Amino acid sequence: DTEVTQTPKHLVMGMTNKKSLKCEQHMGHRAMYWYKQKAKKPPELMFVYSYEKLSINESVPSRFSPECPNSSLLNLHLHALQPEDSALYLCASSHSKGQPQHFGDGTRLSIL
Amino acid sequence: DAKTTQPTSMDCAEGRAANLPCNHSTISGNEYVYWYRQIHSQGPQYIIHGLKNNETNEMASLIITEDRKSSTLILPHATLRDTAVYYCIVMNSGAGSYQLTFGKGTKLSVIP
Repeated sequence: DTEVTQTPKHLVMGMTNKKSLKCEQHMGHRAMYWYKQKAKKPPELMFVYSYEKLSINESVPSRFSPECPNSSLLNLHLHALQPEDSALYLCASSHSKGQPQHFGDGTRLSIL
Repeated sequence: DAKTTQPTSMDCAEGRAANLPCNHSTISGNEYVYWYRQIHSQGPQYIIHGLKNNETNEMASLIITEDRKSSTLILPHATLRDTAVYYCIVMNSGAGSYQLTFGKGTKLSVIP
């Protein structure tokens, strides 16, 4: 069990659908992250939020839209995704930027 | 951030110590060595980190050479549940830093 909770665990969607991935932590962490992990590859950073403000966007396509409604929640809104976007999407949090990160178990996303 | 080099895979007998090496010859003075692992179908898990002194916690020990160009993660009594991909990462832990750049890691197989 992890202290970072991601929902849903699995998601299958068509290329024209709109869906959202959710991440929640109650450890009082003020930095939250989204990573993308393709099969048999290491995780790659997508977004970093620090104190609910987007601080880093690693040149991610606009079809991925992050949102941090409060310090405990992080969303990733998905629209018009491509088949190559199929991957494991991981959320992580840390006390602040540069501190050890705690990861959720991810949402496995499949684009049809 | 400095890059790391790790063996692609290692085997370890159950109950024996697992020693996982990592080379980081270009590490700078303010960069920490972090270790994470990823068990199949789970998110990465933070293990330990250090700057220049050896560190130990309930999971593992971290031995950093005096010149800081390499380190070894030691799992003192490996169990089957320690089978995972182990990532060695160097990162500046200052407030301005944020990025965990995962390399390919070492796939550790603990054998009964």
